[in-house]
Amino acid sequence: GIQVEQSPPDLILQEGANSTLRCNFSDSVNNLQWFHQNPWGQLINLFYIPSGTKQNGRLSATTVATERYSLLYISSSQTTDSGVYFCAATSGSRLTFGEGTQLTVNP
Amino acid sequence: EPEVTQTPSHQVTQMGQEVILRCVPISNHLYFYWYRQILGQKVEFLVSFYNNEISEKSEIFDDQFSVERPDGSNFTLKIRSTKLEDSAMYFCASNLAGFPYEQYFGPGTRLTVT
Repeated sequence: GIQVEQSPPDLILQEGANSTLRCNFSDSVNNLQWFHQNPWGQLINLFYIPSGTKQNGRLSATTVATERYSLLYISSSQTTDSGVYFCAATSGSRLTFGEGTQLTVNP
Repeated sequence: EPEVTQTPSHQVTQMGQEVILRCVPISNHLYFYWYRQILGQKVEFLVSFYNNEISEKSEIFDDQFSVERPDGSNFTLKIRSTKLEDSAMYFCASNLAGFPYEQYFGPGTRLTVT
């Protein structure tokens, strides 16, 4: 099956800083999603982005399907951005998740 | 905005007991999924379900697991005889038309087996 790798595994920022999270996948995909897992464990959908670029407020994402990677940009980070960010990809019906990036934003 | 709901939010059970986790997918969605996340680990696929049949299952989804759509709104995951290692967060998801469409996740049920 498809392999999904995320980097970095951990990231510590000061409030207001920008960051880029990366997701590499081993095969062509027909679905790629980014999630934020909040402190209560809920998975919050951030982006559905099998290709191209999308923006939602301070967050944006780009997927370059031909090169098998996706990037999540967080600008002007806030303490509420803390948590684990997962990307997940599929070439069939199942989403395969990466290990996640643990983001800590300090005030 | 429609959302996937799950009940209960937290369930504690004793080893060997049966548990049923419940999900109400988004009403016009046709494909349903269960995933689980052991504490501190990544989210893992368990099973996908369409047209009252399992369409795909992972190696984790063995004979102690079963899924059912008992009526027009609920989608359930049953674990027949729980083990300590079944303790995890279980997520239900749904989407309109299978792959490659976006999957919408519920808030999860945290299962603790003692």
